[in-house]
Amino acid sequence: GAGVSQSPSNKVTEKGKDVELRCDPISGHTALYWYRQSLGQGLEFLIYFQGNSAPDKSGLPSDRFSAERTGGSVSTLTIQRTQQEDSAVYLCASSHRDSAILAKNIQYFGAGTRLSVL
Amino acid sequence: SQKIEQNSEALNIQEGKTATLTCNYTNYSPAYLQWYRQDPGRGPVFLLLIRENEKEKRKERLKVTFDTTLKQSLFHITASQPADSATYLCALYSSASKIIFGSGTRLSIRP
Repeated sequence: GAGVSQSPSNKVTEKGKDVELRCDPISGHTALYWYRQSLGQGLEFLIYFQGNSAPDKSGLPSDRFSAERTGGSVSTLTIQRTQQEDSAVYLCASSHRDSAILAKNIQYFGAGTRLSVL
Repeated sequence: SQKIEQNSEALNIQEGKTATLTCNYTNYSPAYLQWYRQDPGRGPVFLLLIRENEKEKRKERLKVTFDTTLKQSLFHITASQPADSATYLCALYSSASKIIFGSGTRLSIRP
């Protein structure tokens, strides 16, 4: 596609429910990132994929958070048993597959999914 | 621990003036530093990258400096316009292709 696409754009859920957030990266981008941004805050790194594997999961806040990527493309971030503190904008970004450019890590972001946990 | 700070949470300046935003980092030796722009309800958009061996980088009305001794980058917008109003984020390459972002500076340009 032309850019990184995230769905849904908004999600309202009740505390304790599970949610799935989807990211479609730019075609050909092998690196994919998930971030969380709370109101007025910077980006908090969650997880990074290179292809379908996740060499860096260090940012996942708890074991309620998980992510997968299939076919080197679409990624899903799942939050189980959501809590109110999970309310934030979840941003996905992808990077070019060229190793030289990848090393510079210029990231292309989607518009994000705004998650509200009531 | 590694830390990035953008000194001003918000900056308000008059149209036509030069806006200067600051990014400081500690416990890092980054190979390069990036600046992104973020508009409300949107994801960040890449603006400029500067390498550790570059002192200054320019793109149209934008200028970025990188002082590895001071561990600081300055981001300048000359002849500022109301359309430049946005949040600006600095970011450093950490490891394993991970980027660490600052918390951002919200810039407002008043006509």
